[in-house]
Amino acid sequence: EPEVTQTPSHQVTQMGQEVILRCVPISNHLYFYWYRQILGQKVEFLVSFYNNEISEKSEIFDDQFSVERPDGSNFTLKIRSTKLEDSAMYFCASSATDRDTDTQYFGPGTRLTVL
Amino acid sequence: GNSVTQMEGPVTLSEEAFLTINCTYTATGYPSLFWYVQYPGEGLQLLLKATKADDKGSNKGFEATYRKETTSFHLEKGSVQVSDSAVYFCALSDQAGGYQKVTFGIGTKLQVIP
Repeated sequence: EPEVTQTPSHQVTQMGQEVILRCVPISNHLYFYWYRQILGQKVEFLVSFYNNEISEKSEIFDDQFSVERPDGSNFTLKIRSTKLEDSAMYFCASSATDRDTDTQYFGPGTRLTVL
Repeated sequence: GNSVTQMEGPVTLSEEAFLTINCTYTATGYPSLFWYVQYPGEGLQLLLKATKADDKGSNKGFEATYRKETTSFHLEKGSVQVSDSAVYFCALSDQAGGYQKVTFGIGTKLQVIP
């Protein structure tokens, strides 16, 4: 069964450093998403992406964040200058359509630790 | 805005016990409802979903019915197993902003003991 994959599974970085989290969505999906979960808190929507453009973003997704689909398979989340409060589990998801009846399929997550 | 409320847990049950995890929601539109499960060390997996009122989603012995009148989507299983130990997330999806977005509950940790 097709699945969303993410790398790395765990990333440790120093405050102020740039990190890139990578995702490979399901191959025939057109809509891509990033979510994050700070330890002990809810999974929160960050951004959605379609047709090489951001379609919606939350207030969390400020200028320090960016997303890109650099080729036909990868979808990346970049944090330019990490802060301690960026420590969280980051989930990538993809869906075939943007209908609310369609399922978003999630990857296993990348645990980001900012020291 | 949209929100999902579920019991935080942890919930500890003996094997073969009956499980209910309550979930209620608030939505501006007419959302689809989901339960996702996260097993230890793994990602979020879709467990079941329902897309309209009175629909029942079911999978692996778990069930949940979309109740529009009570804005609820409670998860039930008649007889839990140790392998059901995981974190369960209630979620809704809508297109109120034009694009699909999933809103999650806090997650309920279930521990099943032999």
